[in-house]
Amino acid sequence: DSGVTQTPKHLITATGQRVTLRCSPRSGDLSVYWYQQSLDQGLQFLIHYYNGEERAKGNILERFSAQQFPDLHSELNLSSLELGDSALYFCASSVGGADYGYTFGSGTRLTVV
Amino acid sequence: AQSVTQPDIHITVSEGASLELRCNYSYGATPYLFWYVQSPGQGLQLLLKYFSGDTLVQGIKGFEAEFKRSQSSFNLRKPSVHWSDAAEYFCAVGPSGKLQFGAGTQVVVTP
Repeated sequence: DSGVTQTPKHLITATGQRVTLRCSPRSGDLSVYWYQQSLDQGLQFLIHYYNGEERAKGNILERFSAQQFPDLHSELNLSSLELGDSALYFCASSVGGADYGYTFGSGTRLTVV
Repeated sequence: AQSVTQPDIHITVSEGASLELRCNYSYGATPYLFWYVQSPGQGLQLLLKYFSGDTLVQGIKGFEAEFKRSQSSFNLRKPSVHWSDAAEYFCAVGPSGKLQFGAGTQVVVTP
């Protein structure tokens, strides 16, 4: 157990739907990062939050949004889902920035049918 | 911009043999470098990291990596591979607020 909790582990949904992925960072970590992992794109950085504030955006689609709450957990919202959104979505946390490396959760596998 | 290249998509190694995974990076300043391992269906686990100082870094599970600035490389090594080392390995570079990951190298261990 890495200390980073992601729920749900698996999610199957239909095209056009909206889903919410949840991440609880390791105790004491203020930063949360979201990554998408797919066979064709590899690990793609989506977004970084630090202590409730958005710090950096990567290749995140406009249909996707995220937030970090006062208790530091984070949610990634994916809407108007397409087949191509099927992927593993990872959350990682760190104490501050990325400098000391991340601790990853076990991921949420999203399947859009 | 920072980038990471892992030239080998797939490596097959016999159990007990040595393993070396290549990683080349592009970064304007002194990089922070990492190796992660991902077992099937799992998240990524940090093996080791380099920030500064000794260019030979020891990590968990018997892995080590060597930073060579002149070659912009950070290759991962293990002297004797175990069947449990079969996994995908990712090199990553920072800092810049996020880590940039390579495409990964799949390691298969044969008896």
